[in-house]
This record gives sequence, structure tokens and C-alpha cells, in this order.
Amino acid sequence: AQSVSQHNHHVILSEAASLELGCNYSYGGTVNLFWYVQYPGQHLQLLLKYFSGDPLVKGIKGFEAEFIKSKFSFNLRKPSVQWSDTAEYFCAVNPYNQGGKLIFGQGTELSVKP
Amino acid sequence: DTGVSQDPRHKITKRGQNVTFRCDPISEHNRLYWYRQTLGQGPEFLTYFQNEAQLEKSRLLSDRFSAERPKGSFSTLEIQRTEQGDSAMYLCASSPLSSAGQETQYFGPGTRLLVL
Repeated sequence: AQSVSQHNHHVILSEAASLELGCNYSYGGTVNLFWYVQYPGQHLQLLLKYFSGDPLVKGIKGFEAEFIKSKFSFNLRKPSVQWSDTAEYFCAVNPYNQGGKLIFGQGTELSVKP
Repeated sequence: DTGVSQDPRHKITKRGQNVTFRCDPISEHNRLYWYRQTLGQGPEFLTYFQNEAQLEKSRLLSDRFSAERPKGSFSTLEIQRTEQGDSAMYLCASSPLSSAGQETQYFGPGTRLLVL
């Protein structure tokens, strides 16, 4: 079955630390890839997306992600986190030619200590 | 900018009752999706519409679940004979149709259901 794995369930960092959240998926075909963020009390918001082209994509608020096809990975990075980055982060995969439905990982809760 | 809206935001019901949730997508978005999210998990796809056509409903959790989008605008999700296991957040998302297979979904705030 198609699945998405986020290996880190809860990450705690101090401000200015670097962040990398892992995301791996199991699907052999072409995929569209997304990271969504959910700030406390708010709804899911798009952080960044990959459809094709340059495997390094940049999103809002200084986030970026790299698609490594050979590793079926789409890890999220930020060089220096802020307290305001405290949120839950979801990786999602849309297998091509399966409509637009998204398969989500279980999420990673990020807590940034001021 | 009007985003995806959902109503109600919270619903408490007793086991065995029927509930209906509404989703209003972003104007002119052709596609509308329903997901369910339980505590500690990511959203789980349920069904989706392209205009008024329901293109996939195999992931609806049981025959107690049904969804409609009668005029291709708002959608409703109904759960009949609710069970305690139906307690979850029900999310709606919409997207413009992309011929290139590259679409981005925008999510609403969700309806949190609690079945007692």
C-alpha cells in the first residue's frame, strides 16, 4: 500500500538551531510532493510543493525541501528556526494519475524553545 | 481572499444520531476533497469531487458515510448512525483543476466531531 513516513514524531529545538524533518514515501511512479504546516489553533497551510524540475524547492518563511528520487525522500529543512515555527508539519504525496488525493504522513510536532 | 469554509466548526452528538457537515470551497475551484484526521495522525483521504461528479468514494469508511456536491459548489458529508469511533476532525480542501496533473489543495479549518 502507498504510504508516507515521517520518522520524527516530536522534535524540540532551540531558536537558531537548524532543522531537518524526514519524509519518505512508498510509491514507484511519478509523484507530486507537499509539505503542509499547522500552527496552533490554525488550519493546514501549504509550506511548499514539488511538481517537477529543480529538486530543491523553496517555500515560505525560509523553508526548503529536497526531492531525492532514488531515496523516495522529500526532507524539509530550515537553517535557523524561530519560536514562531512551533507547529505540526505534514508531508504529503500525490501519486500521479490518481486524481489529486493526498497521502499524508503522521506529522511531526516541532517545538522551538525561545 | 475567501478561503475554504466549513460549518459547523464543532459538533457533539450522541451515538446513533446522524450528522451532516458542510464545506464551501474557494470560488471557482473545480475539485473538492474530504479528509478525516484523528489524534496524532495525518489527514486520511475519504472522497473527492470534480464539479458535481464524485470521482472516488472507495475510501469512504463505511456505507454510513456519504457525500454530495449537487451543484458543483458546496459539498456535504453525512454520517449516519454515528459511532464513537467516528470522533475525529473532518477536513475539506479545494483546488483548481490542473490539466498538467499539478494541483494544490487549500484546506478549511475543519469540523471537529465528538460522538458520546
